[in-house]
Amino acid sequence: DGGITQSPKYLFRKEGQNVTLSCEQNLNHDAMYWYRQDPGQGLRLIYYSQIVNDFQKGDIAEGYSVSREKKESFPLTVTSAQKNPTAFYLCASSMGPGGSSPLHFGNGTRLTVT
Amino acid sequence: DQQVKQNSPSLSVQEGRISILNCDYTNSMFDYFLWYKKYPAEGPTFLISISSIKDKNEDGRFTVFLNKSAKHLSLHIVPSQPGDSAVYFCAASGQTGANNLFFGTGTRLTVIP
Repeated sequence: DGGITQSPKYLFRKEGQNVTLSCEQNLNHDAMYWYRQDPGQGLRLIYYSQIVNDFQKGDIAEGYSVSREKKESFPLTVTSAQKNPTAFYLCASSMGPGGSSPLHFGNGTRLTVT
Repeated sequence: DQQVKQNSPSLSVQEGRISILNCDYTNSMFDYFLWYKKYPAEGPTFLISISSIKDKNEDGRFTVFLNKSAKHLSLHIVPSQPGDSAVYFCAASGQTGANNLFFGTGTRLTVIP
């Protein structure tokens, strides 16, 4: 079955450590995205990539970094510079960049930093 | 500032009745609107969408209505089923696509058997 796989489901880290969240898709989608969800807020865009080796900052990119070396993979690194890293992180992909291409989401990674 | 607003954080409906979820937006440049459904511990899944050139789109039990003058859209589910219990997110985008897809804060729907 085609889909998006995020791992791990739960992740715990100490403050000051960088951590990388994995996202893999086998939908052959060109575009991939990282969103963050906090309680009482909508999903906020961190980074997106419309093509391999290219990515753009979203609304809340500070303290995060990404890479897109392969079409299937779009890992997100939460760096120690991110002031409030504890959140639910969602990876998504779409066939094209247009708003008419619905996003396909993974099941998310819940990151807790203490 | 929230460009897409879902002012009702929760809604409870009896099984078999109609569920109406509402969404308001502020940006008149939005031209595509989507609803996503999210179960606990899962990612959102696409439910239904509507282009700004239409005022209604129907898919089975789900209908989305768009009122551009009021900058308002609504999702109707009829008849409601217990399996519809989930959080529903409204989202809107402009011409440049999903990189500027704006989400509402979600409405938790509970369908009571």
